[in-house]
Amino acid sequence: AQKVTQAQTEISVVEKEDVTLDCVYETRDTTYYLFWYKQPPSGELVFLIRRNSFDEQNEISGRYSWNFQKSTSSFNFTITASQVVDSAVYFCALSETGGTSYGKLTFGQGTILTVHP
Amino acid sequence: SAVISQKPSRDICQRGTSLTIQCQVDSQVTMMFWYRQQPGQSLTLIATANQGSEATYESGFVIDKFPISRPNLTFSTLTVSNMSPEDSSIYLCSVRTGREPQHFGDGTRLSIL
Repeated sequence: AQKVTQAQTEISVVEKEDVTLDCVYETRDTTYYLFWYKQPPSGELVFLIRRNSFDEQNEISGRYSWNFQKSTSSFNFTITASQVVDSAVYFCALSETGGTSYGKLTFGQGTILTVHP
Repeated sequence: SAVISQKPSRDICQRGTSLTIQCQVDSQVTMMFWYRQQPGQSLTLIATANQGSEATYESGFVIDKFPISRPNLTFSTLTVSNMSPEDSSIYLCSVRTGREPQHFGDGTRLSIL
């Protein structure tokens, strides 16, 4: 069965610091998707990025960047020059593509990020 | 991406009662799912809502406790039956269609007294 581990339970930084959120996953599928979602204090779950297992290119979107390394089963997320509005719970998730697991998301435990002014 | 509306957004219920949560999407979607997020916890998949047939439940969740309907490709309901304080959670509907990533409704915050 698949598993997602976010070892960092809580991270606290001061505004403008860079911060990296770690995510490690386990799966027996050769084809899968990895996701990051953000859950601000208001509670909704906001999609940030999806990566498929064949695409190991790192991606940058504004202040956000993602580092996918299949060799270490990791999909880390970096926020550059953090802002107070980045304060939220961040979830890493995995979706397998085979059989009965198709489309289902397995979430990590989440990392609570607090950015202080 | 699809616009997902969940109702109610929050409720406070008495133990032993049941509550039905609605999830309405503004376009037809292939897959609909229901997740539970207990206080301070991550999200756990309850079931996949199948259009026109019985939902597919994950281990630890049963139809008698969480009956689900999905009469068409844009609507689903989740009922939380015979509620106890342990059912206090956020319940989230999510949808996926084609090659789009999964998107979530705003959730229903449920408190049981």
